[in-house]
Amino acid sequence: ETGVTQSPTHLIKTRGQQVTLRCSSQSGHNTVSWYQQALGQGPQFIFQYYREEENGRGNFPPRFSGLQFPNYSSELNVNALELDDSALYLCASSLVGDPIGEGYTFGSGTRLTVV
Amino acid sequence: GNSVTQMEGPVTLSEEAFLTINCTYTATGYPSLFWYVQYPGEGLQLLLKATKADDKGSNKGFEATYRKETTSFHLEKGSVQVSDSAVYFCARLSGGSYIPTFGRGTSLIVHP
Repeated sequence: ETGVTQSPTHLIKTRGQQVTLRCSSQSGHNTVSWYQQALGQGPQFIFQYYREEENGRGNFPPRFSGLQFPNYSSELNVNALELDDSALYLCASSLVGDPIGEGYTFGSGTRLTVV
Repeated sequence: GNSVTQMEGPVTLSEEAFLTINCTYTATGYPSLFWYVQYPGEGLQLLLKATKADDKGSNKGFEATYRKETTSFHLEKGSVQVSDSAVYFCARLSGGSYIPTFGRGTSLIVHP
């Protein structure tokens, strides 16, 4: 059984650029959630994907978008990067109906730095 | 709104000391409460949870009791180890929701 894998682990982008982060969900999981964790803060929910559709969204602007693929892996896309987008981006996979319970598995994250 | 407040860190202790990390939550609805741990370079891992008032969650020597009267879910451990050094996050999830609210985390540093 594999865990949640995120790529890349670190990334540096320039303000105004676009970025794509990737997440492979744990085997058997069909739901993927994305979080933004700014330095010294707790994770903030961005959105969740289930059956390749957005299933809920936190308080993030539309320039944050995502995709889920038939194999349940997912991408997070951020357009027009701003300095405040610098953060650790976490992906978590689960089975639908099992929110942050025992089956909710986080990846190690992608550290994005916007300069 | 829904919020979680944790004590500021870092909390610095000697090995075998008693640990308390305070967490309070807003009382909106009937939330489930969680403690997550994040070791350096890793993702968050569920440590323990409680789903209703007076429930006690426990795991690996850590405990937390869901106190509705004080809206608290303080994390405790009787004797910490160096390997417990990590960041601890308190979180709440309202009934019927799948969007959790995390606290800002409390760093624990345990010295030999």
